Amino acid sequence: KQEVTQIPAALSVPEGENLVLNCSFTDSAIYNLQWFRQDPGKGLTSLLLIQSSQREQTSGRLNASLDKSSGRSTLYIAASQPGDSATYLCAVNKMYSGGGADGLTFGKGTHLIIQP
Amino acid sequence: DTAVSQTPKYLVTQMGNDKSIKCEQNLGHDTMYWYKQDSKKFLKIMFSYNNKELIINETVPNRFSPKSPDKAHLNLHINSLELGDSAVYFCASSQDYGYGYTFGSGTRLTVV
Repeated sequence: KQEVTQIPAALSVPEGENLVLNCSFTDSAIYNLQWFRQDPGKGLTSLLLIQSSQREQTSGRLNASLDKSSGRSTLYIAASQPGDSATYLCAVNKMYSGGGADGLTFGKGTHLIIQP
Repeated sequence: DTAVSQTPKYLVTQMGNDKSIKCEQNLGHDTMYWYKQDSKKFLKIMFSYNNKELIINETVPNRFSPKSPDKAHLNLHINSLELGDSAVYFCASSQDYGYGYTFGSGTRLTVV
């Protein structure tokens, strides 16, 4: 059974710092890994998707890496801003040959606060 | 707007009642899902439905039943509601293999 762990559970840093959020998963037979952001009272917003054959993806100040063999991913946020404050969730999608999906397995998230 | 929309946003009901949550997506996705986020904010898959096959998570009680009248809709019916069903329920959709994952804004269900 796939389990996803995120460290740290919470993080508070001053504005402008670069930071790294960590994600690990127990079953390396994944199709892809995604990072989401959740704001209070809102749904989830997809940030980055990394295919199992890829090593990293970048979008603006965000960079996500994937080491499938070791079951690890990191989300790097450069030059953090107060607007980055949110909960960041890592999720893995299992290998599925039929094109459909069983759904994502999520970690419990990292609650991030960027202090102005 | 292209989106996943679910209604109602809030639902307060008494134990033992039967309720439904509706979900619609206009993204043309083939796969739709229901997720449950518990009081500790842990998000877990309940069902996925990809226009051919309903995949049921075995940990979901059979009081929960998804119904899909067409590819753009996946509603969630809950019978005999219990206190432990209180949570936020999210609908989502995606293309095959999980591309383009889009979540609704959630339905906060409170059972009293």
